[in-house]
Amino acid sequence: QSVLAQPASVSGSPGQSITISCTGTNSDVGGYHSVSWYQQHPGKAPKLVIYDVIDRPSGVSNRFSGSKSGNTASLAISGLQPEDEADYYCSSYTSGTTLVFGGGTKLTVL
Amino acid sequence: QVQLVQSGLEVKKPGASVKVSCKASGYNFLNYGISWVRQAPGQGLEWMGWISTYTGETKFAQNFQGRVTVTTDTSTRTTHMELRSLTSGDTAVYYCARDAGQTSYDVLVGYYTNTPKYYFDYWGQGTLVTVSS
Repeated sequence: QSVLAQPASVSGSPGQSITISCTGTNSDVGGYHSVSWYQQHPGKAPKLVIYDVIDRPSGVSNRFSGSKSGNTASLAISGLQPEDEADYYCSSYTSGTTLVFGGGTKLTVL
Repeated sequence: QVQLVQSGLEVKKPGASVKVSCKASGYNFLNYGISWVRQAPGQGLEWMGWISTYTGETKFAQNFQGRVTVTTDTSTRTTHMELRSLTSGDTAVYYCARDAGQTSYDVLVGYYTNTPKYYFDYWGQGTLVTVSS
C-alpha cells in the first residue's frame, strides 16, 4: 500500500482541465516543499513534470502546474491533449523512509 | 545529451542475487547522485535508495536496508545496484535515475558535498528482473 494517496483514475475531454490529488501527512507532503510529479506512458520510464511542488523542468509544457495545501498536493493539467493520457505519480520527501511515491493515477483523455 | 543506459534482462531463482548496472554519459558524472526505483508489474513506483557519485555516501529505504548494495565506479561512469535474497515479490522493472541535487562546495565544512533533492530529471530505460523457480 502506497504512503501517498492518489485517485486511481481521472478523465477529461480534449481541451478540458483536470486535477490529480496526492494526500499525505505532516511527515511528508505537509512537512516539506519537496513534492514532485512524474508522467509515465506505457512501457516507458517516468518523466519529471513538476518538482519542488510548483516548479516545471525546462521543456515541460506550461499546461502542467503544481500546488499544495496542507497535506495535499495537486497536479493540474489544462487544455488536455491526447498525448497527456498516461499514468501520473506524485512523490514526496519524508523524514521516515526518505522518499515515498503515490500509488499512481491513470489519466484517460476521452 | 544526458543518457543513463542500463544492463539487460535478468532471470533469477528465489534466494539468488541480481546486479543491475547503469552507465551515465553526457554530463559530469561526479556532479549528480543516482537513485534506484523499481516498479512491479502493473504496480506503482518504489524508491529503493540513492548514492552520491562524489562521496559514495548511500541512503536506503527501510524496506531494503541490509538487502541492497549500491556502488559507483567513477572510471567507467557506472553505478551498480545489487539486490540479495530474491523472492517472487522482487520481480519488477528496476530504474536508475539521476537525482537533481548537484555536488557543491560547503563553506561550513570546507569540502565538497552532495545532498539529494529526491527528484529525478533523467531516467534509465529500465531493467526487467524476473524471479521465478
